Amino acid sequence: QSVLTQPPSASGTPGQRVSISCSGSSSNIGSNYVYWYQQLPGTAPKLLIYRTNQRPSGVPDQFSGSKSGTSASLAISGLRSEDEADYYCAAWDDSLSAWVFGGGTKLTVL
Amino acid sequence: QVQLVQSGAEVKKPGASVKVSCKASGYTFTSYYIHWVRQAPGQGLEWMGIINPSGGSTSYAQKFQGRVTMTRDTSTSTVYMALSSLRSEDTAVYYCAGSSTAGGGFDPWGQGTLVTVSS
Repeated sequence: QSVLTQPPSASGTPGQRVSISCSGSSSNIGSNYVYWYQQLPGTAPKLLIYRTNQRPSGVPDQFSGSKSGTSASLAISGLRSEDEADYYCAAWDDSLSAWVFGGGTKLTVL
Repeated sequence: QVQLVQSGAEVKKPGASVKVSCKASGYTFTSYYIHWVRQAPGQGLEWMGIINPSGGSTSYAQKFQGRVTMTRDTSTSTVYMALSSLRSEDTAVYYCAGSSTAGGGFDPWGQGTLVTVSS
């Protein structure tokens, strides 16, 4: 049981915009930055979004992050087949004094 | 470029210990904190703890307290994660990941080390 809650799956067609949600609490998302990671099949995770809505250099602007209260979202616009991957949200939890992750969302491009 | 390279796969028996290494290159070793994150087969990511290579201070997730030890060797720019009293549920890919601040995003990541616990 993950501390952060994500839908197990999401899907979209090429060119479409999809959004992945991440629900937490006041001790994690509600009071700290949110991070998003992309994990392509058989590879290590890659930082996609940091500090809730910032993109590292090299990450295309089709990816965007946002937060409202104790929930966060990752939006992917202009969906492409190579975006098919697992996506994880993460945040520091003040009560647990630990980094916590969502259970991951498997994105399928139809 | 900033890179973390981990040691190879391990097979251990229940009750044994394992030590995984993570060698840093392409940057000043002491300028990145190193986290350890594991991923059981078909499962999500789980944070295990963090070490500050500058001084060696550590912080572990409560779940692993007493079983995990993170150390560093500044002479070889290598961080180690040792896990003891292994059980089948510890079978997972173990990743090291760097962050420029203790509260920053994890980037870069090592390639991962598969640890299999089986009798």
